[in-house]
Amino acid sequence: DQQVKQNSPSLSVQEGRISILNCDYTNSMFDYFLWYKKYPAEGPTFLISISSIKDKNEDGRFTVFLNKSAKHLSLHIVPSQPGDSAVYFCAASVTSGTYKYIFGTGTRLKVLA
Amino acid sequence: DGGITQSPKYLFRKEGQNVTLSCEQNLNHDAMYWYRQDPGQGLRLIYYSQIVNDFQKGDIAEGYSVSREKKESFPLTVTSAQKNPTAFYLCASRMGGRQFFGPGTRLTVL
Repeated sequence: DQQVKQNSPSLSVQEGRISILNCDYTNSMFDYFLWYKKYPAEGPTFLISISSIKDKNEDGRFTVFLNKSAKHLSLHIVPSQPGDSAVYFCAASVTSGTYKYIFGTGTRLKVLA
Repeated sequence: DGGITQSPKYLFRKEGQNVTLSCEQNLNHDAMYWYRQDPGQGLRLIYYSQIVNDFQKGDIAEGYSVSREKKESFPLTVTSAQKNPTAFYLCASRMGGRQFFGPGTRLTVL
């Protein structure tokens, strides 16, 4: 049972345009969500996070939106740059008890110059 | 320079042998995690430890073992009981809600 789903395995966007990466979850107990960026053969690097008490969080070119009723979050990158080309993972956790993270399967973003 | 180190970067093992992957952190984080990543899949949790001398099984612990004798170190042993050990292994530590990852170890079983 996949609790965190990224239904788009890949996405191509022109440089300068907006990239929107989506993530759906099924467990209503999740209260903290994160986005990571990963290059091949490297560890993921943290991008941005959001608590369930918020519906939006911004950090520079990156914005994460959370829609709790739809159990959906999205990552917006504006403007997209070629260096943004990587695999993006969303992750969800329950911030009490075991503090485990459940990761989606990732979306490969390619920003075209 | 604080961070998480994993060694070696690439590891080859003969079928039937046990192998230990190293993970060290100097971030003073209490919690540490081991994941594996396979092509087309997300990160799957193998083991995690919230504090020294304590650890719990993750979703795919069969064929793996860990120890947490020191706060800085969380080694993972891939045993011969692991049926499909070839994968990319990632170690992480946690501060607050955020995880920090090491560079990973690519294990290939020949």
